[in-house]
Amino acid sequence: GNSVTQMEGPVTLSEEAFLTINCTYTATGYPSLFWYVQYPGEGLQLLLKATKADDKGSNKGFEATYRKETTSFHLEKGSVQVSDSAVYFCALKLGNEKLTFGTGTRLTIIP
Amino acid sequence: DSGVTQTPKHLITATGQRVTLRCSPRSGDLSVYWYQQSLDQGLQFLIQYYNGEERAKGNILERFSAQQFPDLHSELNLSSLELGDSALYFCASSVEQGASSGYTFGSGTRLTVV
Repeated sequence: GNSVTQMEGPVTLSEEAFLTINCTYTATGYPSLFWYVQYPGEGLQLLLKATKADDKGSNKGFEATYRKETTSFHLEKGSVQVSDSAVYFCALKLGNEKLTFGTGTRLTIIP
Repeated sequence: DSGVTQTPKHLITATGQRVTLRCSPRSGDLSVYWYQQSLDQGLQFLIQYYNGEERAKGNILERFSAQQFPDLHSELNLSSLELGDSALYFCASSVEQGASSGYTFGSGTRLTVV
């Protein structure tokens, strides 16, 4: 079946550090890929998405590129801020099927 | 405000009891999804409705049931509650079912079973 594997957390970085959160997927077909973010005490919010190979999704300084050859969708940000502290979820969607989420990566940014 | 409304925000109840969680989807969205988020299980898909009909079922216990009403709001019923049912329950909605349509999530209902 379809699945998403995320790098395990928690991840702790200093402010202005470079961030990478790894995400790889397994799917029977060509899924759309998503990153969601969950701030403390809130629901999940869509951060960015890509719907086909080589697409780059970007939002709020975050980027992720859909790599079909490596079945990956790694999340990156050049300079993180304290306000980026949250849990990040990678997800895939194939056709009319439900969104399948990874286990989430908790990110903490230290001033 | 995401446009998806969940009530109540918090619920504390005793084991063996029954509760109902309510979700109003974003205006125009026909699909509603229920997820359970617990510390050790991550985000688990429970069930999906599309325009009043059940479309997909995930890891939903037999003690749990859901429905979507003609006005598109949905309710998740949890019965014979156990301590292990304590979790955050999220509702999400989407306008269509296509691959590129992501979900809009509500802020969740935190259920504590004591």
